[in-house]
Amino acid sequence: DGGITQSPKYLFRKEGQNVTLSCEQNLNHDAMYWYRQDPGQGLRLIYYSQIVNDFQKGDIAEGYSVSREKKESFPLTVTSAQKNPTAFYLCASRTGWNTGELFFGEGSRLTVL
Amino acid sequence: GESVGLHLPTLSVQEGDNSIINCAYSNSASDYFIWYKQESGKGPQFIIDIRSNMDKRQGQRVTVLLNKTVKHLSLQIAATQPGDSAVYFCAENGGNAGGTSYGKLTFGQGTILTVHP
Repeated sequence: DGGITQSPKYLFRKEGQNVTLSCEQNLNHDAMYWYRQDPGQGLRLIYYSQIVNDFQKGDIAEGYSVSREKKESFPLTVTSAQKNPTAFYLCASRTGWNTGELFFGEGSRLTVL
Repeated sequence: GESVGLHLPTLSVQEGDNSIINCAYSNSASDYFIWYKQESGKGPQFIIDIRSNMDKRQGQRVTVLLNKTVKHLSLQIAATQPGDSAVYFCAENGGNAGGTSYGKLTFGQGTILTVHP
């Protein structure tokens, strides 16, 4: 079945460690997105990519990094520079660069101990 | 800066009533809008979308209205059911090619809808 797969679903990290969240899609979508969601809050855009080897900062990119070496993959690294990384992270993709609905993964919940 | 916001953070209705969820947006260049439903611990699910050249679009039990004059978006759910209980988000898409928001999809804070049997 086509879809978006995020892993791991739950992740615990010690302060000062970098962690990488995986996002893979087999929908042949060009555009991919990473959002962060805090309890009782909306989704805030971290990074997005409209094509392989290109990506743009969203509204809260500080402390995060991404890569887009393959069309189907858009991993997000939460670095030690991110001061409050505990959150629910959602990856999404869509077929169009500037139109069309986003298809979301099931999310990764990161907890910093 | 650009923002998408909601007038009401919570909405409680009785089963069978109609629900209206509102959203304000500030980017006049936004050209496409989407409503999503999110259940606890899950990713958002698409409900309905509308382009800026339309003012109304209907789906199954849902209608989206767009008023560009006042930059307002609403989602109407007919005959609301307990299974409709969730958080509802509107999202706006960032506008024309060459603009700084091209391809950027921004979400509002969300409205919690609770449907009582």
